[in-house]
Amino acid sequence: SQKIEQNSEALNIQEGKTATLTCNYTNYSPAYLQWYRQDPGRGPVFLLLIRENEKEKRKERLKVTFDTTLKQSLFHITASQPADSATYLCALDANTGNQFYFGTGTSLTVIP
Amino acid sequence: NAGVMQNPRHLVRRRGQEARLRCSPMKGHSHVYWYRQLPEEGLKFMVYLQKENIIDESGMPKERFSAEFPKEGPSILRIQQVVRGDSAAYFCASSPGQGAWNYGYTFGSGTRLTVV
Repeated sequence: SQKIEQNSEALNIQEGKTATLTCNYTNYSPAYLQWYRQDPGRGPVFLLLIRENEKEKRKERLKVTFDTTLKQSLFHITASQPADSATYLCALDANTGNQFYFGTGTSLTVIP
Repeated sequence: NAGVMQNPRHLVRRRGQEARLRCSPMKGHSHVYWYRQLPEEGLKFMVYLQKENIIDESGMPKERFSAEFPKEGPSILRIQQVVRGDSAAYFCASSPGQGAWNYGYTFGSGTRLTVV
């Protein structure tokens, strides 16, 4: 069965630095990959989507890469701010069009 | 635009009771998805519905769980005879078209079910 792994430990970085979060997957080939932000007690908020034929996607201070050979996506937040502190989830489409497989998330804390 | 509305936010049920979770999708969205999030686990797909139709219920337990999305009114996730293992956060998401690959999901804030 498919397996998705995100940074297992919480990530703490200094304000202004670039945060890099990792999403690795095994056992299948998704056509799409999404990143979400989740704050405590809230639902996930969609951030970015990248397709298998796209190497990189950017949105303001966010950048996502998708390496289908390595089966890995990297999520970068540049010039990080304390307000970026949250849990970030990667989600891979299940090739059915109806559902996504979610990772357990990486907790990011940006220290002022 | 109020977004995806879920209620109640918190629900406590005794073992054996029924839980009913409601979800109103965003205005203009006709596709609803239910996900469950257990502690320390990722979101797990349960069911995908369009108005009056269940499209994919492959993630839903075969017994005690059911979902509907009637022509009028919110989508309902019903859990009969709840057990402690049903305690989780249940999230509803909506999208304007089939599949979230083009749009991303818009999630509600979830219903936290606690079975005592």
